[in-house]
Amino acid sequence: SAVISQKPSRDICQRGTSLTIQCQVDSQVTMMFWYRQQPGQSLTLIATANQGSEATYESGFVIDKFPISRPNLTFSTLTVSNMSPEDSSIYLCSVRTGGIATNEKLFFGSGTQLSVL
Amino acid sequence: DAKTTQPNSMESNEEEPVHLPCNHSTISGTDYIHWYRQLPSQGPEYVIHGLTSNVNNRMASLAIAEDRKSSTLILHRATLRDAAVYYCILLGGATNKLIFGTGTLLAVQP
Repeated sequence: SAVISQKPSRDICQRGTSLTIQCQVDSQVTMMFWYRQQPGQSLTLIATANQGSEATYESGFVIDKFPISRPNLTFSTLTVSNMSPEDSSIYLCSVRTGGIATNEKLFFGSGTQLSVL
Repeated sequence: DAKTTQPNSMESNEEEPVHLPCNHSTISGTDYIHWYRQLPSQGPEYVIHGLTSNVNNRMASLAIAEDRKSSTLILHRATLRDAAVYYCILLGGATNKLIFGTGTLLAVQP
């Protein structure tokens, strides 16, 4: 299993500013994922962050807007840059653990509730 | 990317069984079927997963169709604490991108 600490749990930000969300895992994991969940909606994958390589972004998400760091196997950050009210959402980090496919599971942080004024 | 489809919502009465269906007709032979649930104001949590055979754990049972194109999550006795959004996703093997469908919002009536 994996325990994920995600900070901050919520924030209210001004338009045009940036917020960095941190995700700390209690064990070393290769694959980490960042999701966005808009109110009442499902999770949308923003990017996959593997340690030692550039993050891979999904269609509709770009590095300039959502830069990601992955300095080691237990930590990652997602920055929401130059925020607008449309960025108001819940942001979640997730890890994939288990090694072999039989044992793989996903674990999620508790999320960051972002409101942009 | 392999996708899943689920009903948007379902209702159940407390103490009764609940069967939550999921279709995944484009599943590959090495994809595992995973179920997660998201309680209000929390991140999703693991429920159960399987490959071909039916699976049981303390939370639920997973029934997988013989052709693997569909599966059903079974909650044997729903409680009010089971009210959540339930997501069925495919993981592992050929599916590296973890794409969530709409999920099923389960309401449990007392």
